[in-house]
Amino acid sequence: GQQVMQIPQYQHVQEGEDFTTYCNSSTTLSNIQWYKQRPGGHPVFLIQLVKSGEVKKQKRLTFQFGEAKKNSSLHITATQTTDVGTYFCAGRASGTYKYIFGTGTRLKVLA
Amino acid sequence: ETGVTQTPRHLVMGMTNKKSLKCEQHLGHNAMYWYKQSAKKPLELMFVYSLEERVENNSVPSRFSPECPNSSHLFLHLHTLQPEDSALYLCASRPRLDMNTEAFFGQGTRLTVV
Repeated sequence: GQQVMQIPQYQHVQEGEDFTTYCNSSTTLSNIQWYKQRPGGHPVFLIQLVKSGEVKKQKRLTFQFGEAKKNSSLHITATQTTDVGTYFCAGRASGTYKYIFGTGTRLKVLA
Repeated sequence: ETGVTQTPRHLVMGMTNKKSLKCEQHLGHNAMYWYKQSAKKPLELMFVYSLEERVENNSVPSRFSPECPNSSHLFLHLHTLQPEDSALYLCASRPRLDMNTEAFFGQGTRLTVV
């Protein structure tokens, strides 16, 4: 069945450093979504990518969807303590309604 | 506040107890989901309902029994659970099952089985 892996599993960075998490699917995706879960909280939607090679930005966050629509990345520039949390990707394979969540990357930002 | 409300927020139950988790949304969404989130594991999809009809049952043990009486409410009935069932149970909704739309998550029920 479809699997979605994320690397790294954990990342500790100094405040001000950049951070990137990568998401890889075993199957071609129709679209991919990214969520953030703060410690003790619930997943909150960040963004959706649909087109091959698509790049979207939200302030310091840059999201990319691979040309083959099997991988994606989230890059945070100049991290802040408010960026702390676990970042999940969720991919939907073509022809299905199911979103498979990635394993998540837990980010800690040291002040 | 996402518009999806889960109760209770915390639950401790014995292995012989019967309890129910409740999820409520007034967003007008037609698709509702139960997820299980354990430590060091990805979000596991348990059940999916679309217009009150169950469309997904992801090999979930029968000690978990979902119910969707209407499109605004979703329940997860629990009985004779095991300690390994301790986890955060998240409810989510989307406008429609087949749309490229975001999932709105509730705050979850933290379940501890003793």
